[in-house]
Amino acid sequence: GAGVSQSPRYKVTKRGQDVALRCDPISGHVSLYWYRQALGQGPEFLTYFNYEAQQDKSGLPNDRFSAERPEGSISTLTIQRTEQRDSAMYRCASSLAGQGGQPQHFGDGTRLSIL
Amino acid sequence: AQKITQTQPGMFVQEKEAVTLDCTYDTSDQSYGLFWYKQPSSGEMIFLIYQGSYDEQNATEGRYSLNFQKARKSANLVISASQLGDSAMYFCAMRDFYNQGGKLIFGQGTELSVKP
Repeated sequence: GAGVSQSPRYKVTKRGQDVALRCDPISGHVSLYWYRQALGQGPEFLTYFNYEAQQDKSGLPNDRFSAERPEGSISTLTIQRTEQRDSAMYRCASSLAGQGGQPQHFGDGTRLSIL
Repeated sequence: AQKITQTQPGMFVQEKEAVTLDCTYDTSDQSYGLFWYKQPSSGEMIFLIYQGSYDEQNATEGRYSLNFQKARKSANLVISASQLGDSAMYFCAMRDFYNQGGKLIFGQGTELSVKP
């Protein structure tokens, strides 16, 4: 596709359930990033991949959060045993390379609400 | 630690006038990049402009220009001839090329309102 595609756009689930958020990057983009954005705040880094290799997961809040990109294209961010504090906008971005001045292009995000 | 500071939570500008959105940063790295993104009320994040720490000239992209003052660690965004469609949240972000890998560090944002 022309841009970064995220699904679902909205996800409402009960506390304690697992959720999986999907990101399809721009074709040919080597690097893929996950961010979390609270209302009225800037995005906060979670993790990123170059191809299928997870390069940095220092931003994942705890071990309930995990991400994978098994074939170097589509990525899934999984949150296990969700809690209300996990409610936020989750954004995916991709770039041609993970170095230098390559801009990251963002998807429209998944709005996650935990009841 | 790397940090981005945007001190203007909200700004107003008259249509067709220029406006400057402030951004200061803190890093110990010598090689880094600065980015500005626009987030309209519809929610998407739109890349606007990039400035590398070793770039000698200020970056420009159409009506957007970046006033980069390295010694002061500031990277202010200048929007010329404001339009109603410029009303949005604007985020300044930084990436350290060696120590922080690929991640962007974002500021808190500035909400710009353009008055007709």
